[in-house]
Amino acid sequence: DAGVTQSPTHLIKTRGQQVTLRCSPKSGHDTVSWYQQALGQGPQFIFQYYEEEERQRGNFPDRFSGHQFPNYSSELNVNALLLGDSALYLCASSFGAGGGSTEAFFGQGTRLTVV
Amino acid sequence: SQQGEEDPQALSIQEGENATMNCSYKTSINNLQWYRQNSGRGLVHLILIRSNEREKHSGRLRVTLDTSKKSSSLLITASRAADTASYFCAPHNAGNMLTFGGGTRLMVKP
Repeated sequence: DAGVTQSPTHLIKTRGQQVTLRCSPKSGHDTVSWYQQALGQGPQFIFQYYEEEERQRGNFPDRFSGHQFPNYSSELNVNALLLGDSALYLCASSFGAGGGSTEAFFGQGTRLTVV
Repeated sequence: SQQGEEDPQALSIQEGENATMNCSYKTSINNLQWYRQNSGRGLVHLILIRSNEREKHSGRLRVTLDTSKKSSSLLITASRAADTASYFCAPHNAGNMLTFGGGTRLMVKP
């Protein structure tokens, strides 16, 4: 049983460019959440997708957008990249948005460097 | 804010000793989850404790939860060098959103 998989593992982009990160949830999970983790800090919640809709959003600008596909996989898109967007981007999958009783499992992350 | 705050920020112990990390949060929760992270890689889920539970064990891990004090603790017994990592607590609200603090950086010296 594959866990949460993310691609790519590393990425280097130039300021102003756009980037797309991908996540496949753990088998049996239907909810995907995205987090940004700056160096030396804890992960910060970006948004959560369930039933192909954004259900919750953290304090991130509209440059950050996402999508969930019918197979529950998800993409995170960031437009007009800034140097400050350099971070580890983590995807977490769980079962059933709301309820609040299930574990969330994380992928290994995508390390994004903006130069 | 629902954010968990870990204490201490850093902890250094000898192999074989016990390590205790604390977590505080501010609002009501459905559950609280603890995670480990090695060198900036993905978070590994350690344990989930529900709001109606007071203590939970998993191998060398023991987690307590005191909802009246809005606090939790993670105890790692008989620590090993491989336990060296950052540890995060994540209060979990009804919206299925985890919020993380800055973590506790644990160093276990061989």
